[in-house]
Amino acid sequence: GNSVTQMEGPVTLSEEAFLTINCTYTATGYPSLFWYVQYPGEGLQLLLKATKADDKGSNKGFEATYRKETTSFHLEKGSVQVSDSAVYFCALSPPRGGSNYKLTFGKGTLLTVNP
Amino acid sequence: DTEVTQTPKHLVMGMTNKKSLKCEQHMGHRAMYWYKQKAKKPPELMFVYSYEKLSINESVPSRFSPECPNSSLLNLHLHALQPEDSALYLCASRDLGRGETQYFGPGTRLLVL
Repeated sequence: GNSVTQMEGPVTLSEEAFLTINCTYTATGYPSLFWYVQYPGEGLQLLLKATKADDKGSNKGFEATYRKETTSFHLEKGSVQVSDSAVYFCALSPPRGGSNYKLTFGKGTLLTVNP
Repeated sequence: DTEVTQTPKHLVMGMTNKKSLKCEQHMGHRAMYWYKQKAKKPPELMFVYSYEKLSINESVPSRFSPECPNSSLLNLHLHALQPEDSALYLCASRDLGRGETQYFGPGTRLLVL
């Protein structure tokens, strides 16, 4: 079956530090890959996505590249801010086909950014 | 606009109460989802509706009863819940014709006493 493995947290950084959160996946074919962010007390927000190999998703200074050869989708940001403190979830959905598209989530990584 | 709304934001109920959670989207999405999320965990899928028909039930106890009255609205009826059902309940929707992205609402935080 499909699975997502992301680095265990928590991750604590100082403001303006570089961020990497690792995410690897197991799936057949070419799944779509997502990063969702959950701020304290809120629901999940789509941060970025990629739907095919070598695609780069980007949003709000965050980037992730779909690497088929290493089955990875690592999240990066060059300079984090206190407002980036949240839980980040890596997720995948199976290739097109069928109407249900169940998302498979990683366990989540808690990021805390200190001033 | 990619907004999914959920009401209420918070809910406290006793184990003998009956309550309902509501989810609404006006994006024309024809797939809608209920998830349950416990603290410090990823969301767990409960139900999926496609074209207003239940297509997935992830072996959820019958004290949770979903309903999809129309293509914009999704309800979750709650009855005789247990304290361990306390969680954040998230609704999501997806455009069946245009991709795999699920858009989530802000959730209802449920406390069962």
